[in-house]
Amino acid sequence: ETGVTQTPRHLVMGMTNKKSLKCEQHLGHNAMYWYKQSAKKPLELMFVYSLEERVENNSVPSRFSPECPNSSHLFLHLHTLQPEDSALYLCASSQENEKLFFGSGTQLSVL
Amino acid sequence: SQQGEEDPQALSIQEGENATMNCSYKTSINNLQWYRQNSGRGLVHLILIRSNEREKHSGRLRVTLDTSKKSSSLLITASRAADTASYFCAYGGSQGNLIFGKGTKLSVKP
Repeated sequence: ETGVTQTPRHLVMGMTNKKSLKCEQHLGHNAMYWYKQSAKKPLELMFVYSLEERVENNSVPSRFSPECPNSSHLFLHLHTLQPEDSALYLCASSQENEKLFFGSGTQLSVL
Repeated sequence: SQQGEEDPQALSIQEGENATMNCSYKTSINNLQWYRQNSGRGLVHLILIRSNEREKHSGRLRVTLDTSKKSSSLLITASRAADTASYFCAYGGSQGNLIFGKGTKLSVKP
């Protein structure tokens, strides 16, 4: 148990659906992250929130929409996804760019 | 690209043997970190080595850092079947974010 909880663990959705991924951390960290992990590709940083302000958006398509209502919660809203968006989505938190604590991830399949 | 590289991509050894994984990177760094990932799960932080350190130990793990060669190695001694996982190095990018390599897939056979 890393102190970072992600739900759901698995998600299957159609291309016209809207769904949200949730992440919660109880570590008192001031930064939270969304990463995407596709097969045979390195981890891709999608979004970074530091002190609840978004500081980085690595050219992620607008069909992915993050939300950070407070320092403990992070959401990733999904709409009109494509099959190539199928991947493991990982949330992480850290304190001042030190080591990352990851959740168990959401395995997303887009049909 | 600031992407680093790990080698080998895959490593298969017998229980009790040592496993060595290497990481090369391209930028100046403040620290370099190693993570472990069991299949389909989140990554777990193993060890962090700062740019002014050359070697660090944690249990059966030994990490070295050579900033002149922009490389690091992770040694797992006396490996166990439970060490089977993917191992990633990560280092700070130009914007302060961590950049991960593609990882080394380690298989330890009983």
